[in-house]
Amino acid sequence: KNQVEQSPQSLIILEGKNCTLQCNYTVSPFSNLRWYKQDTGRGPVSLTIMTFSENTKSNGRYTATLDADTKQSSLHITASQLSDSASYICVVSAKGNEKLTFGTGTRLTIIP
Amino acid sequence: ETGVTQTPRHLVMGMTNKKSLKCEQHLGHNAMYWYKQSAKKPLELMFVYNFKEQTENNSVPSRFSPECPNSSHLFLHLHTLQPEDSALYLCASSQEPGHLNYGYTFGSGTRLTVV
Repeated sequence: KNQVEQSPQSLIILEGKNCTLQCNYTVSPFSNLRWYKQDTGRGPVSLTIMTFSENTKSNGRYTATLDADTKQSSLHITASQLSDSASYICVVSAKGNEKLTFGTGTRLTIIP
Repeated sequence: ETGVTQTPRHLVMGMTNKKSLKCEQHLGHNAMYWYKQSAKKPLELMFVYNFKEQTENNSVPSRFSPECPNSSHLFLHLHTLQPEDSALYLCASSQEPGHLNYGYTFGSGTRLTVV
C-alpha cells in the first residue's frame, strides 16, 4: 500500500532558527514528490516539486532534498520567520496513474 | 489568491439541510477535484472531473453529489449530512489529471460544520 509518513507531527522553534522536516514514502513506482505549505484555514500552496533525478531544490529559504534510493525527503527551512508557522505536507505521485498520496503533515509553530 | 476560488469560506448546516459548495478556477485547467481534509488525517480525494466528465469517485457516500457544468466550475451538493462530515473541503485544479508539470492548485477551502 502506498504511504507517506512525516515527522515530527509538530514542531515549535524560535524565530530565526533553522529546522528540518522529514518525509518517508513507500509509493512505487515513483514519479515525483511535492512539498506544500498550508496556513491555518487555507488551502495548500506548492513549495517545490522534485522528480527522480533531482536531489536538491530550493525556493527562497526553503530547501528540499530527495533520496530516491532510501525513499526519503526533507524540507529545510532557514532563518525561520513567524509567517512560516503552518502545516507542511509531503505528497508523492506514482508513475503511470499519477495518483497523489498525501502525508498527514508537520505542524510548525514559530515563536518570537 | 491562487486562481481557484471557493465559496462559501465557512458553512454551518443542520443534518436535514441541503447546501452547495462552489469552486471556480481561472487557470484554464481541464481537471478539477474535490478533497476532504479532516483533523490529523491526510487529504482524501473524493471526486475527479476531466473535461467536465467524472473520472473518479472514491466510494463517496451519496449524500455528497458533485456537479461539473464546465471545466471552470465545480459544485458539491450536500444533503442529510452527518456530524462526522464536518471538515475542510478543498477544491483543486490541474492542467489534466495527475500531470506532473501543470500541478495541482488548491482553493482556500470551505470549512463545513454539521450540527
